[in-house]
Amino acid sequence: QLQLQESGPALVKPSEALSLTCTVSGGSITRSSYYWGWIRQPPGKGLEWIGSMYYSGTTYYNPSLKSRVTISGDTSKNQFSLKLSSVTAADTAVYYCARFQPGGSYGRPSVSDYWGQGTLVTVSP
Amino acid sequence: DIHLTQSPSSLSTSVGDRVTITCQASLEIINHLNWYQQKPGKAPKLLIYDASNLGTGVPSRFSGSGSGTDFTLSIRSLQPEDIATYYCQQSYNLPLTFGGGTKVEIK
Repeated sequence: QLQLQESGPALVKPSEALSLTCTVSGGSITRSSYYWGWIRQPPGKGLEWIGSMYYSGTTYYNPSLKSRVTISGDTSKNQFSLKLSSVTAADTAVYYCARFQPGGSYGRPSVSDYWGQGTLVTVSP
Repeated sequence: DIHLTQSPSSLSTSVGDRVTITCQASLEIINHLNWYQQKPGKAPKLLIYDASNLGTGVPSRFSGSGSGTDFTLSIRSLQPEDIATYYCQQSYNLPLTFGGGTKVEIK
């Protein structure tokens, strides 16, 4: 059974960088076809796709965050990571890592069939 | 970006009732529309993918339909464990986007 688990600091200061890691068990991030990525949800609000990566290094980011986001993988540890720079209070959210099936019009990240439990990151002085 | 409008934003109904939630896309997305269920404090769970395909282990009382710009999630006979917020998501093009959610409560 595939499992994903987020880890990282729960509190980040404004203007600093948020860094989270997702550890995948029960399957390899190098398995072909799947994408891996991040979705966030501010408290009491809806879901926002942050971005996704393929193990080969191809990445796709939400244009609204693209200038501040980096998603990368560590195949030796079967992990992938999120870095979000210059955070503000608006970045306070539960951050989920997820597996994405390929699909849509161009075989890019599509539906999320496995999710981590989520981790709340608060941006505060 | 493709904008998804869900309605209603919330509903209160009785156990055993049929529930219908709609999702309208700002442009045609063929059938690239997915539905998720999120219970309080939990991660979303995939219910329906590509408009009408049931996710793994999802009860058959859930169904999805639609194509183009208009889509529907139906729950045939609402059960107490179906209390949750439901989100639609388009996967036609990047960025992936979600509807605003529909909160389903029991009367």
